[in-house]
Amino acid sequence: DTAVSQTPKYLVTQMGNDKSIKCEQNLGHDTMYWYKQDSKKFLKIMFSYNNKELIINETVPNRFSPKSPDKAHLNLHINSLELGDSAVYFCASSPTSSGQAGNTIYFGEGSWLTVV
Amino acid sequence: QKEVEQDPGPLSVPEGAIVSLNCTYSNSAFQYFMWYRQYSRKGPELLMYTYSSGNKEDGRFTAQVDKSSKYISLFIRDSQPSDSATYLCAMRNSGGYQKVTFGIGTKLQVIP
Repeated sequence: DTAVSQTPKYLVTQMGNDKSIKCEQNLGHDTMYWYKQDSKKFLKIMFSYNNKELIINETVPNRFSPKSPDKAHLNLHINSLELGDSAVYFCASSPTSSGQAGNTIYFGEGSWLTVV
Repeated sequence: QKEVEQDPGPLSVPEGAIVSLNCTYSNSAFQYFMWYRQYSRKGPELLMYTYSSGNKEDGRFTAQVDKSSKYISLFIRDSQPSDSATYLCAMRNSGGYQKVTFGIGTKLQVIP
């Protein structure tokens, strides 16, 4: 069973298009995230949701809009794609407690987005 | 200055060598320190974590945290070709919803 699954794994699209990446976790976690890993492999948080509520929103263009229909799903919609959006986008989840379990972030396999 | 600094490598070692991976950080509020391993074309997976200063050992892996120097290390003993991956340090404040800050990752290759 895949704990955090995201689709599609690979996406090639033209500038100006709108695209979505879907994410689901079956771990029963309350917190979900979107991370971006750029060409230099730097992994940066974009958004974090806890029980469908936005709790972290880093400096991300408003062309990026996350949506959490329930606590097991966190989708990422990107409008008007630009060349600089090409990166790997990772969905992740974690429990909400601040103890040991709260430190473990489980990542999906990543979605490779290429904008041409 | 980045909050977390990590040498991206690549680092090549022969099989069986002891590997030392390191990160420095500037935020003295960081309390939780983690090491993630990322294989090519995969998502990062948690390898080890420590809270505050001290050592933690798990099999061939040892994590060390020196908060006074703002320096953390991961040691891999008897390195294996299967250890070839990118190792990312990560850290965060205490508290429930604090974001995790990652290092850029060190690419390790263990040569048979």
